[in-house]
Formats: sequence, C-alpha cells, structure tokens
Amino acid sequence: GENVEQHPSTLSVQEGDSAVIKCTYSDSASNYFPWYKQELGKGPQLIIDIRSNVGEKKDQRIAVTLNKTAKHFSLHITETQPEDSAVYFCAALKTSYDKVIFGPGTSLSVIP
Amino acid sequence: EPEVTQTPSHQVTQMGQEVILRCVPISNHLYFYWYRQILGQKVEFLVSFYNNEISEKSEIFDDQFSVERPDGSNFTLKIRSTKLEDSAMYFCASSPGQFYGYTFGSGTRLTVV
Repeated sequence: GENVEQHPSTLSVQEGDSAVIKCTYSDSASNYFPWYKQELGKGPQLIIDIRSNVGEKKDQRIAVTLNKTAKHFSLHITETQPEDSAVYFCAALKTSYDKVIFGPGTSLSVIP
Repeated sequence: EPEVTQTPSHQVTQMGQEVILRCVPISNHLYFYWYRQILGQKVEFLVSFYNNEISEKSEIFDDQFSVERPDGSNFTLKIRSTKLEDSAMYFCASSPGQFYGYTFGSGTRLTVV
C-alpha cells in the first residue's frame, strides 16, 4: 500500500519567514496530493491540493510543488503569520483507491 | 460554507460498551469516510462508504466496527464492544467525488475507561 513520509516533524519559524514541509510517497500510481491544516481541537482542513498533471500550484501565500519522478511534493508558506501555527498533513491518493493516506504531520510554530 | 457535523463532541464510555458516533455529511457529497487520530499521532483511515456500501476498509476496521447511512443524511460509526485502545478522536469526512478534497467534521473525542 501507499506509504507517505513527511519531514520535518516539527518546524519553528519567525513571523514573516518562509516555511517548507516536504513529503515523499511510495506508490508511483498516486496522482492526487492534498495538504491539510489541523488546528488544535479541530478536524483537518484542506488548504491546497495538486494533481499529477501539474508541477506547481499557488494560492496566495501557499504553494505546492510536485516532482513525480522523485515521488516527492512540498508545501511552501511565505510571509508566515502566527495563525499559520498548526499541524500540517500531506496526503496521497491514487486512482484504484478512494481513500486519502495521511503523512505523520508537521507541527509548525510561527514565533511572533 | 457547508459543514460536516459530528455529535457528540465528547463521549465517555466504559470498556465493553457499544458506542455510536454520528455524522451529518454535506448534503450533495457522495463519498463518506471515517478516520481516527490517537492523541499525538497521525490521522488513520478507517473506512470509506459510497453508494450505500463500504468501498474500502483498513485493518483497524475489524468486526467490532460497522457503519451505516440509515436515512440518507446521517452517517454513523458503531463500535460494538469498546476497548481501551479505541480511545481517540474520530473524524467523519465527506467528498463530492474522487480526487476532491475532503471536508472533515470537528471530531468526536471517544474516551474508553
């Protein structure tokens, strides 16, 4: 089955700096890669996703890049703000399955 | 914005008791899911449900677990005989289709004592 790895497990950045979280996946058939943000006491919330037919997608301060050859994808947050502090999960999905497999999560702390 | 609603937010139950966790998915969504998250760990897939039947389940989803969509709006997870290790946050999610992001509910914290 699919195995998603994510690093770092924790990340602290100064407000205004950029944060990068990286994920790797094992199954080359995976073709949909969402990112979720989980704030304390809440369920995961989809923040951005990318499909395998594109290499990069951007939404305001958030961007995701995908390298299908290397089987890794990354989340980039620019101009970080304290409200970006949360746990971020990457995930992978492939055609023959209909479930999202989550990575282990990255706890991001933005220091004011 | 449409939401996935889960009730109760917190459930405490004695070991061996049955619990039913309830979810109201977004009305026009077709795919439904249950995930669980043990404290401090990652979100784990339990089961997916489509067209009124289970489409996939994980190893965690053994005979003690069942899901049901009894009335076209609710989506329930039943644990027949709870164990201490069932203590976790249980999240319901729904999606309009494959390859679309899931909308998660806020979760039910299940504590088995």
